[in-house]
Amino acid sequence: GENVEQHPSTLSVQEGDSAVIKCTYSDSASNYFPWYKQELGKRPQLIIDIRSNVGEKKDQRIAVTLNKTAKHFSLHITETQPEDSAVYFCAPKDSSYKLIFGSGTRLLVRP
Amino acid sequence: DTAVSQTPKYLVTQMGNDKSIKCEQNLGHDTMYWYKQDSKKFLKIMFSYNNKELIINETVPNRFSPKSPDKAHLNLHINSLELGDSAVYFCASSTQWGGNTGELFFGEGSRLTVL
Repeated sequence: GENVEQHPSTLSVQEGDSAVIKCTYSDSASNYFPWYKQELGKRPQLIIDIRSNVGEKKDQRIAVTLNKTAKHFSLHITETQPEDSAVYFCAPKDSSYKLIFGSGTRLLVRP
Repeated sequence: DTAVSQTPKYLVTQMGNDKSIKCEQNLGHDTMYWYKQDSKKFLKIMFSYNNKELIINETVPNRFSPKSPDKAHLNLHINSLELGDSAVYFCASSTQWGGNTGELFFGEGSRLTVL
């Protein structure tokens, strides 16, 4: 089955700085790579996703980059704001079509 | 106009009891899921139904039994509750099964506490 590792587990940045979270996966047949954000006490929500035929996708302050050869993809958040504080999960889709969630990264943006 | 709704939101019960969590989606999606999130925030898939048919059944004790009366509803029944069952259970849905897409729409979660 898919092995998913996410780093770092916690990340503290100053407001306005950038944050990068990396996700590595093992299933070379994975073809869909989303990132979810979960605020405290709330449900996980999709913030950005990328398919295997694309190397990078951007949506305002967030971007996702994919390296299929190395089997990793990363979430980039620029100009961080306090409301970006949350737990972020990667969830690559494996060859049996299941989304396998990483262990999460707790991002804290200090005002 | 809630997309994925689950009840109850909180459940506190004694060990050995049986409890159910209900989930409904009004998005017209074909696929529904149950995920378990433990105290360390790990999100693990338990079951998935596509058009009322069970397609994923992870290594879950058979005390857990899902039931999908129609494609808009997926319920979870848990027998003989144990302390380790304490967690937040999320229901989710997606438009379809398979392919290189599949945004999950989660419900608000049901926090189960077993005493």
